[in-house]
Amino acid sequence: GESVGLHLPTLSVQEGDNSIINCAYSNSASDYFIWYKQESGKGPQFIIDIRSNMDKRQGQRVTVLLNKTVKHLSLQIAATQPGDSAVYFCAENREAAGNKLTFGGGTRVLVKP
Amino acid sequence: DGGITQSPKYLFRKEGQNVTLSCEQNLNHDAMYWYRQDPGQGLRLIYYSQIVNDFQKGDIAEGYSVSREKKESFPLTVTSAQKNPTAFYLCASSGDVTRYNEQFFGPGTRLTVL
Repeated sequence: GESVGLHLPTLSVQEGDNSIINCAYSNSASDYFIWYKQESGKGPQFIIDIRSNMDKRQGQRVTVLLNKTVKHLSLQIAATQPGDSAVYFCAENREAAGNKLTFGGGTRVLVKP
Repeated sequence: DGGITQSPKYLFRKEGQNVTLSCEQNLNHDAMYWYRQDPGQGLRLIYYSQIVNDFQKGDIAEGYSVSREKKESFPLTVTSAQKNPTAFYLCASSGDVTRYNEQFFGPGTRLTVL
């Protein structure tokens, strides 16, 4: 079946260092991927997205990389700050399936001062 | 939270009771979604609606019901048939013409069954 999952459940990062969060997906028909950030007790917030015809996309302090050959997605956060502490989810979308998102299990990022 | 409101924030119910969770959006989005989140886990899709008066089952629809009588509202009823209803419930919407695929989430409702 289709699935989106994450390699690491918890990531501890020193403040100022870069963070890398990984995600594997199994459905090669996925055409759109999104990273969300969820702070405790709140709803997920959009961080960045990437279409399947792209390999890389950059935002403010964040970069998403897509490797379709191995069905792998990563989120890189530059100069991690205390406010980056949260759970990060990747999600896949297939427009043909009515824009239903399939979420991975999440990675908790803890930023150490 | 961007234009999506959910109420109440915390909800307690006794076993055997039905309860309805509210979700309202003023983003003029066509599509709305309900997800369930259990501790330490990702989001699972309960129901979604692409247009008024139409909705589809998601991956875990059993024990839940929805309605979509108005574009801005998509209430979720957790029925007594739902065997393990204690969870964090998230509503989302999408359909902005410039970012059609992006789903905007509400703040969530935490339901606890006593």
